Amino acid sequence: QKEVEQNSGPLSVPEGAIASLNCTYSDRGSQSFFWYRQYSGKSPELIMSIYSNGDKEDGRFTAQLNKASQYVSLLIRDSQPSDSATYLCAVNVNAGNNRKLIWGLGTSLAVNP
Amino acid sequence: EAQVTQNPRYLITVTGKKLTVTCSQNMNHEYMSWYRQDPGLGLRQIYYSMNVEVTDKGDVPEGYKVSRKEKRNFPLILESPSPNQTSLYFCASTGTSTKQYFGPGTRLTVT
Repeated sequence: QKEVEQNSGPLSVPEGAIASLNCTYSDRGSQSFFWYRQYSGKSPELIMSIYSNGDKEDGRFTAQLNKASQYVSLLIRDSQPSDSATYLCAVNVNAGNNRKLIWGLGTSLAVNP
Repeated sequence: EAQVTQNPRYLITVTGKKLTVTCSQNMNHEYMSWYRQDPGLGLRQIYYSMNVEVTDKGDVPEGYKVSRKEKRNFPLILESPSPNQTSLYFCASTGTSTKQYFGPGTRLTVT
């Protein structure tokens, strides 16, 4: 069973701090990794994608990928109350013609003013 | 504006009454899929479609049907809804990469 695991949280950080979210995956053949943000009752919104080892920065967000350790993380710098949401990690798996993503259950982040 | 739309957004129905949730995308994406999201179970794929007239089961297809007669539309059909199909449903479409773009969701309650 191919899996993606995340700490469910809640992760609580003060405003302005760095929030660090982690994700591990089981399929060594995975090539594409995504972080989505989901507010309660809303649809997931893509915030970062990463395909190769190392860091990828986009504004306040940095995604980090280590394929050897099967680990992907998301750092949010200068956290804002509006960042309070559930963050979903998604990883592609080889499933024939299905461009399938396996999803973690999400980490709940609370940024306190 | 590039988007995925779903209708209705909210639906309360009774057991056994057939319903259809529509999904449409304007990005000319070939790949579309349906998910349901339940507390503690996360996002689970119901059905997917690689292109027009090409559909296949995902992880939880029981009780659902889909069709793909046009590239932009991918409706989800519940022919005889049951209370265990009460959930939040998302349609998603994917272009040449594996990035998935989601519709706004449909909250379905079956009593």
